Amino acid sequence: RKEVEQDPGPFNVPEGATVAFNCTYSNSASQSFFWYRQDCRKEPKLLMSVYSSGNEDGRFTAQLNRASQYISLLIRDSKLSDSATYLCVVLRSASKIIFGSGTRLSIRP
Amino acid sequence: NAGVTQTPKFQVLKTGQSMTLQCAQDMNHNSMYWYRQDPGMGLRLIYYSASEGTTDKGEVPNGYNVSRLNKREFSLRLESAAPSQTSVYFCASSEAFGGSQPQHFGDGTRLSIL
Repeated sequence: RKEVEQDPGPFNVPEGATVAFNCTYSNSASQSFFWYRQDCRKEPKLLMSVYSSGNEDGRFTAQLNRASQYISLLIRDSKLSDSATYLCVVLRSASKIIFGSGTRLSIRP
Repeated sequence: NAGVTQTPKFQVLKTGQSMTLQCAQDMNHNSMYWYRQDPGMGLRLIYYSASEGTTDKGEVPNGYNVSRLNKREFSLRLESAAPSQTSVYFCASSEAFGGSQPQHFGDGTRLSIL
């Protein structure tokens, strides 16, 4: 079993829809959590950090559930430009940085 | 502001050849990292340098060596390339090591070993 697991998708949703996906992690000692975005054949870019209290950045909301060991990403009013692969990143310790294999999202007009 | 610059962007090698992937950052970051990304898998950490003068193994270090040449530059060397090292390689940097520090990535080196 992978330490960080994501549904690979693809999630195919119409423009304007709300979409959410989760990432589960197996090690309860994990410390920090992030969502990165990766466009096709491009480098990953930080989308947002994930805090226990939940955090919002415009149309994006991230949540952390330590009891159930998952993080989530909610995208409201999706845009065509949101089409990308979303990578979940978990820091178990300073030197243990685990990337999920990503969830592919495709927004259709 | 270039951020993290990787060279080359593409390379084809024959089995057994050696090469060095170069990475430089202009953000005055202390920590630098090398990852590889393979289809269906997340990025996997090869080596990292928490600060200038230090390097440590990550998850998949076998077959690679690194040099933190100075604060700006962190190179990755394949001494004897193998087909299993065909991958996309990303260099990244962060202001400090670990914790909640986000990483800034270069745009990758696509390496094929024949």
